[in-house]
Amino acid sequence: EAQVTQNPRYLITVTGKKLTVTCSQNMNHEYMSWYRQDPGLGLRQIYYSMNVEVTDKGDVPEGYKVSRKEKRNFPLILESPSPNQTSLYFCASSPRMLYQETQYFGPGTRLLVL
Amino acid sequence: AQTVTQSQPEMSVQEAETVTLSCTYDTSESDYYLFWYKQPPSRQMILVIRQEAYKQQNATENRFSVNFQKAAKSFSLKISDSQLGDAAMYFCAYMNYGGSQGNLIFGKGTKLSVKP
Repeated sequence: EAQVTQNPRYLITVTGKKLTVTCSQNMNHEYMSWYRQDPGLGLRQIYYSMNVEVTDKGDVPEGYKVSRKEKRNFPLILESPSPNQTSLYFCASSPRMLYQETQYFGPGTRLLVL
Repeated sequence: AQTVTQSQPEMSVQEAETVTLSCTYDTSESDYYLFWYKQPPSRQMILVIRQEAYKQQNATENRFSVNFQKAAKSFSLKISDSQLGDAAMYFCAYMNYGGSQGNLIFGKGTKLSVKP
């Protein structure tokens, strides 16, 4: 089954404790992206990756890191989480081919930083 | 910068009836994509329908159809024969065609309730 998976789905942590949210897709998509969703703000892009070893900042990158060492994986790293990073996080992927720009979303990761 | 506006924070529809969700956007680009995503209580983001700006014909997917008015920068979603499973948050989203960032710009969403 073609899908985007994220782990963990739920996470409670404390300020300053490094964490990684994994994202994996099995559709051989070139493009991957991370969004965060906050009440009243919709979804906002954190980072994106056009292909392996190619990443760039989205609209709200502060406090986050990413890496793309393999095509299928795009982990989101919070080196020192803070309470304002409490949010619902989505990973998305797209074939990024002409007229096939649709992004497919993972199930989401709900993060609470105390 | 592009913006997407959904002016209806909440909508309600009777089961089997038709409802239309509104979306307007602002852009200076001529080539772009528009999407409607559904987010049920499970929080999953599910693609409902997409529209390429260069296509004059409105997209349809079973009970879902759009009214795309490019000059007016309007992109409404019509749900026919509403079902209880249609209850969800609906997000309108915009993306530039060919843009390197591939960033989806989302509206703030419309919460749709379906009454039995």
